[in-house]
Amino acid sequence: GAGVSQSPSNKVTEKGKDVELRCDPISGHTALYWYRQSLGQGLEFLIYFQGNSAPDKSGLPSDRFSAERTGGSVSTLTIQRTQQEDSAVYLCASRPPGLATDTQYFGPGTRLTVL
Amino acid sequence: TQLLEQSPQFLSIQEGENLTVYCNSSSVFSSLQWYRQEPGEGPVLLVTVVTGGEVKKLKRLTFQFGDARKDSSLHITAAQPGDTGLYLCAGALAGNNRKLIWGLGTSLAVNP
Repeated sequence: GAGVSQSPSNKVTEKGKDVELRCDPISGHTALYWYRQSLGQGLEFLIYFQGNSAPDKSGLPSDRFSAERTGGSVSTLTIQRTQQEDSAVYLCASRPPGLATDTQYFGPGTRLTVL
Repeated sequence: TQLLEQSPQFLSIQEGENLTVYCNSSSVFSSLQWYRQEPGEGPVLLVTVVTGGEVKKLKRLTFQFGDARKDSSLHITAAQPGDTGLYLCAGALAGNNRKLIWGLGTSLAVNP
């Protein structure tokens, strides 16, 4: 499909383990965002990539969280030494280039459960 | 600090009723968007409003942007069970690095 894809769709892990979440944005979209969403709540901004610029990491809650975007396309969000409070849905969104729109296109999310 | 206040947080109504959801801020936005999210999916854009005082209609949904571009409302007429979902507003601040400011969402349940 042509939309944003995320994998895995569900991840169950044990406290203290590391996890990697993957996002494939829409082809040609230059901006990529990661958000965290607790059950039924709004979106918590985590990190933002725009082209080749340095990412905006201002939303990362701790140094256990990191993200990379390779080749301006696929992105991986890594959570080290997971804690139970990390349990949430992690959403990825991409945005097309240009100033004409701020619309973000979301993937279905990865539901992370830390036991 | 929550820059975009959304209300109500929860709403449960009967089919056929009308409802209004509000987003308010002390900040001026260059544009404001409304998204709808269903369980297990990411948010999907419903509409973008750009001009102060703008009104947009999408079938039974009416969106309004405040004259000062600080607030917005979503009005649903004759709600249907298919309208059930989480409604999110998000504002774009002029001159920033294209991050949206998100409201906390309104969880709407329309009962048949």
